Amino acid sequence: AAGVIQSPRHLIKEKRETATLKCYPIPRHDTVYWYQQGPGQDPQFLISFYEKMQSDKGSIPDRFSAQQFSDYHSELNMSSLELGDSALYFCASSLVSGGPGNEQFFGPGTRLTVL
Amino acid sequence: ELKVEQNPLFLSMQEGKNYTIYCNYSTTSDRLYWYRQDPGKSLESLFVLLSNGAVKQEGRLMASLDTKARLSTLHITAAVHDLSATYFCAGPYTGTASKLTFGTGTRLQVTL
Repeated sequence: AAGVIQSPRHLIKEKRETATLKCYPIPRHDTVYWYQQGPGQDPQFLISFYEKMQSDKGSIPDRFSAQQFSDYHSELNMSSLELGDSALYFCASSLVSGGPGNEQFFGPGTRLTVL
Repeated sequence: ELKVEQNPLFLSMQEGKNYTIYCNYSTTSDRLYWYRQDPGKSLESLFVLLSNGAVKQEGRLMASLDTKARLSTLHITAAVHDLSATYFCAGPYTGTASKLTFGTGTRLQVTL
């Protein structure tokens, strides 16, 4: 079965640079979520989109922005990168309008390292 | 603000033993999720518990939900080394496109 695709899988950036992470949800899923997981920590919710509209916002820095496109893929844009942004970034998708439980399926993650 | 607490944070157990991981959450929710994560890997969905009294089992893992007590448990039966991972509970469900708040995670190490 098709899963959530994220690219790139690994990314190394310098401080103050920008980064763009991409997420391709499971086909027909209508909702995308972004989470950040620091070393040894639990995943923290950043932002979500339902049917291409922002539906919820968590502890996402103002330096970060995201959007969902007409084909349902999503991009997380990160500017003025800081050392503390080094983390695993997960995208998850779900089908809100069908299926029990609103189960979120996670992608493999993008490991961002800021030097 | 929702709080999700798990205990223990770290669990070392021998193969063949049984143990339970506890997940307490601070606000009403009629569903609760359990995920497994191997080091540096993605989060794998284990169980979606949809109602009070729900019990689900998969292999050596069994999860249950008590919404009145705001408690979920993940029981491990006759542990094997392959179960070594970090287990997260997450919730709540607050409606359409509901975000997940994760517990602190329980790092399980099964020794031979």
